[in-house]
Amino acid sequence: NAGVTQTPKFQVLKTGQSMTLQCAQDMNHEYMSWYRQDPGMGLRLIHYSVGAGITDQGEVPNGYNVSRSTTEDFPLRLLSAAPSQTSVYFCASARGGTVTGELFFGEGSRLTVL
Amino acid sequence: KNEVEQSPQNLTAQEGEFITINCSYSVGISALHWLQQHPGGGIVSLFMLSSGKKKHGRLIATINIQEKHSSLHITASHPRDSAVYICAVKPGAQKLVFGQGTRLTINP
Repeated sequence: NAGVTQTPKFQVLKTGQSMTLQCAQDMNHEYMSWYRQDPGMGLRLIHYSVGAGITDQGEVPNGYNVSRSTTEDFPLRLLSAAPSQTSVYFCASARGGTVTGELFFGEGSRLTVL
Repeated sequence: KNEVEQSPQNLTAQEGEFITINCSYSVGISALHWLQQHPGGGIVSLFMLSSGKKKHGRLIATINIQEKHSSLHITASHPRDSAVYICAVKPGAQKLVFGQGTRLTINP
């Protein structure tokens, strides 16, 4: 099993560009989530999903879109990148539609917006 | 005030020492996670607790729901334990709120 796979690992964007961070898991987990990690701050939840076709907002959803068309994939879209979105992004999954199970994280994607 | 507070923020110890990292939270929760972030950035789950105590190898995690407090202990610490340890709580729904992390350095 590959676990949780995030791509790309590194990305540089110009302000206003759009891009998609990909997240895929092969463990048949229903719960998937996106976080951002900024210096001096804890991980913050952007969006999450408890199953295919179901998504909800987290703590910092503005500027990001998600969709969940399959159990395996949970892409995060930046529609018009801003320097404030420079961060390290993590995708995580958990068994069942709940976050009370063991969490499995991707390796992270470092995004720089110029 | 953050909903989740970890202490200390930084901890340096010698190999073999007993380590304690604390996590206090201000909201009612149904679960608490302890995570480890390696120097390379990867994050792994150590424990999920809803009550009592769990042990895995040299790691022990405890939680006191009434006092809104959890501790992570490392016995016989080793340089490979050097990492950032993160506490996260589930206050409701399917969301987690994270502490800022405790950076642990174990010197040989």
